[in-house]
Amino acid sequence: QQQVKQSPQSLIVQKGGISIINCAYENTAFDYFPWYQQFPGKGPALLIAIRPDVSEKKEGRFTISFNKSAKQFSLHIMDSQPGDSATYFCAASNEGSSNTGKLIFGQGTTLQVKP
Amino acid sequence: EAQVTQNPRYLITVTGKKLTVTCSQNMNHEYMSWYRQDPGLGLRQIYYSMNVEVTDKGDVPEGYKVSRKEKRNFPLILESPSPNQTSLYFCASSRDRGYTDTQYFGPGTRLTVL
Repeated sequence: QQQVKQSPQSLIVQKGGISIINCAYENTAFDYFPWYQQFPGKGPALLIAIRPDVSEKKEGRFTISFNKSAKQFSLHIMDSQPGDSATYFCAASNEGSSNTGKLIFGQGTTLQVKP
Repeated sequence: EAQVTQNPRYLITVTGKKLTVTCSQNMNHEYMSWYRQDPGLGLRQIYYSMNVEVTDKGDVPEGYKVSRKEKRNFPLILESPSPNQTSLYFCASSRDRGYTDTQYFGPGTRLTVL
């Protein structure tokens, strides 16, 4: 119930294309869904996040789509650039009263954007 | 500059030799945690701390200890490291346990236990 399943494990996209990474969860108590971006040799950094009261959030070229009934959320990177090449992690947490501050991470997706 | 620092960044050690990985944050955050990152498994929480002298186990605490004597520091201690603790470790901090959208991660410590 605590798992977040992420796919694909790796993704290769041409420059200018759309990158799509999907995540699915089981725990309906989750109420916060961030995406983290990690470059080699660096720690993860928050990219964009969504809460279940909206179905979509867009920040520049990055969009999260959220489907509460299907318990799925996805990251879309429009006009993908070589500089977007990184590992992406989805995550989920429950910020309710019993929250321990723990983020449950997906397995990660390594994105390569070819010039 | 707001940051989380970890030391060392790389460490190769042998089975059973006690080691400590330090973590420090300069943002006056109350909440700190340790994660390990393994291929195909994402990041898993080891321990967390909600404030000074308040710590608790995460998902994979076996073989690890932590302490929180000062607000800014949260060291990770491996009393008797074993090869299955070879991993990439991240320290993270946030203002409060509820503010998971502001969780800042350190640069990571790559540990190899021979």
